[in-house]
Amino acid sequence: DQQVKQNSPSLSVQEGRISILNCDYTNSMFDYFLWYKKYPAEGPTFLISISSIKDKNEDGRFTVFLNKSAKHLSLHIVPSQPGDSAVYFCAFRSNDYKLSFGAGTTVTVRA
Amino acid sequence: DAGVIQSPRHEVTEMGQEVTLRCKPISGHNSLFWYRQTMMRGLELLIYFNNNVPIDDSGMPEDRFSAKMPNASFSTLKIQPSEPRDSAVYFCASSDTGNTIYFGEGSWLTVV
Repeated sequence: DQQVKQNSPSLSVQEGRISILNCDYTNSMFDYFLWYKKYPAEGPTFLISISSIKDKNEDGRFTVFLNKSAKHLSLHIVPSQPGDSAVYFCAFRSNDYKLSFGAGTTVTVRA
Repeated sequence: DAGVIQSPRHEVTEMGQEVTLRCKPISGHNSLFWYRQTMMRGLELLIYFNNNVPIDDSGMPEDRFSAKMPNASFSTLKIQPSEPRDSAVYFCASSDTGNTIYFGEGSWLTVV
């Protein structure tokens, strides 16, 4: 989807360090922002989300940041664990309930 | 709780054959989505149903693709005739009109 750009196809990080994933978007109508995690041979599973009225949402080791002026969404995972190795998709919802997905970032956490 | 259930999990078929993928959404969810994942295009929305009615099918690639939702607990995605370029993982997802959609495990289609 050209409205969503997840520019880093892969990320390798040492166990215990921070993983930072980024997405940029162009559609100012997006009002809800999500991150999904996908293991091989499984469907994407919901990870964390944030509405457009907030700039930060935290859930355990996962924090999502939204910068509306820059149209930028990020996910921080700290500390990273081997089980976090997966593909992460950012997703954006507009008021018609459709989700537009980024291309995905493959995260590899090295022990 | 049962999640979104898709069948078959894997399908290998010959070019020109009809393919039918099936989906049972989460009970109580009134929105259903069919997505396709490919290396080139990532996750793309094919069609979206709300209360069993197709709302947006703009993502359906061409007339060879059709989707139905005869009732709240069942949907099909049909490809007739199938072509090798249809090879992909097809995901069904459902939502209760909240902000989160829940995906099935996908149907892996290979057309040879």
